[in-house]
Amino acid sequence: KAGVTQTPRYLIKTRGQQVTLSCSPISGHRSVSWYQQTPGQGLQFLFEYFSETQRNKGNFPGRFSGRQFSNSRSEMNVSTLELGDSALYLCASSRDRGRGDTQYFGPGTRLTVL
Amino acid sequence: QQQVKQSPQSLIVQKGGIPIINCAYENTAFDYFPWYQQFPGKGPALLIAIRPDVSEKKEGRFTISFNKSAKQFSLHIMDSQPGDSATYFCAAGNAGGTSYGKLTFGQGTILTVHP
Repeated sequence: KAGVTQTPRYLIKTRGQQVTLSCSPISGHRSVSWYQQTPGQGLQFLFEYFSETQRNKGNFPGRFSGRQFSNSRSEMNVSTLELGDSALYLCASSRDRGRGDTQYFGPGTRLTVL
Repeated sequence: QQQVKQSPQSLIVQKGGIPIINCAYENTAFDYFPWYQQFPGKGPALLIAIRPDVSEKKEGRFTISFNKSAKQFSLHIMDSQPGDSATYFCAAGNAGGTSYGKLTFGQGTILTVHP
C-alpha cells in the first residue's frame, strides 16, 4: 500500500506570494492532519480534516487555510507569505479519527520563503 | 497546559548502550502517547505508542515507561545500533475527544549511536 504522498517536495517563494501544498493520504484513510516543522518551534499542529470538514485548528493566523476533497486528498494554502513561514510542512493521515489510530506522515514539503 | 517537554535535546551513546529520552506533560486530558522517529529528509514514523492504562509497553528493542501520577513517560532503546541514529519525538494526544488529529509534540532529541 502506498504511503502518504506530498507534492511538491520543495518550493521556493518570495514574500507576499501565496502557495498551495497537496497531500494524498493512504488509501482508505479519511483523516488528514497538517503540521509545520521548524528548528525553533518544532512540530506544530496546523489543522485536521475529516470527511471534508475541518475538525480542529491550531494557533496559526488566518493566512493558513486548508481543505479536503471527497477522495480525502487535502490541500493547504498559505497566503501573503512571510519569511517566518519557511518550514517543512508535513501531512499525516489516519484511518478513522477518534479511535487513537496511528498517524502516518508523508515526507513533507520544504518551503523556503525569500 | 498544552506543552510536552522533552529531554535531553541531544544524546550520544556507544553501540549497545541504552539511551533514555524523557517527556513530561501537563494536560491530564491527554490519553495517547506515541513516539516518532525521524531521519533526515523523511517524515516522522511511529515507533511505539502507549495509553495511560498501562505502565510499560515493549516492541522489539523499544520500551515506553509511563508514570501517570507524575505525568511523565520515557523511551528506552535497548542494544542501540548506529542505525538508530535519528531524531526522536514524543507526542501526546486526546484519542477519544474532539482534539483527535492534533498531536502535541516535544521538541525532539537528536540521538547519535557511535559504532
